[in-house]
Amino acid sequence: DAMVIQNPRYQVTQFGKPVTLSCSQTLNHNVMYWYQQKSSQAPKLLFHYYDKDFNNEADTPDNFQSRRPNTSFCFLDIRSPGLGDAAMYLCATRDLRSTDTQYFGPGTRLTVL
Amino acid sequence: AQSVTQLGSHVSVSEGALVLLRCNYSSSVPPYLFWYVQYPNQGLQLLLKYTSAATLVKGINGFEAEFKKSETSFHLTKPSAHMSDAAEYFCAVSLNTNAGKSTFGDGTTLTVKP
Repeated sequence: DAMVIQNPRYQVTQFGKPVTLSCSQTLNHNVMYWYQQKSSQAPKLLFHYYDKDFNNEADTPDNFQSRRPNTSFCFLDIRSPGLGDAAMYLCATRDLRSTDTQYFGPGTRLTVL
Repeated sequence: AQSVTQLGSHVSVSEGALVLLRCNYSSSVPPYLFWYVQYPNQGLQLLLKYTSAATLVKGINGFEAEFKKSETSFHLTKPSAHMSDAAEYFCAVSLNTNAGKSTFGDGTTLTVKP
């Protein structure tokens, strides 16, 4: 059974049109991460939630926001997507109380037209 | 601070040959080390991990890796490559502090020739 679920798997949006990507988990992990992965590059951490505490990486553009309404769900909002935001977006979870491993979802491939 | 260097962005082997993917790390404290595999348009799948137990770690699909502290290395090997092993491989390091954030290497694309 899928433990980290991302919807949709493929998302197409228009330049400047806000878009929201969704991540949910059945693991009850206390940390959720969002990574951006451009073609042939390593995943780059955008931000993470430790319980309800939001932590932004220093170089994450203001165009990217996140919400975590409860333990299970975390959303990535891109307020005004540019062509450079086209990428794979990966969600991951980890429970710092009990595990040493991040569990990744299947990713959402974002296309910006 | 932590970092990972993967030597060789592309590795090509023949089917049945040894696979060796190199990873060196830098960490100020004992790290956790991971190897992930990624197929096109998919997420990261954990192959194996080192978390301060046995230094020789066995993973899925016949892969294994050896943690060598003196060399700060965690190279991934497989005795006999299969066509299905063709994919992108990422080495990653994380700590048990700093919210467990992972730092990834730039990845190695493995090609398997028939």
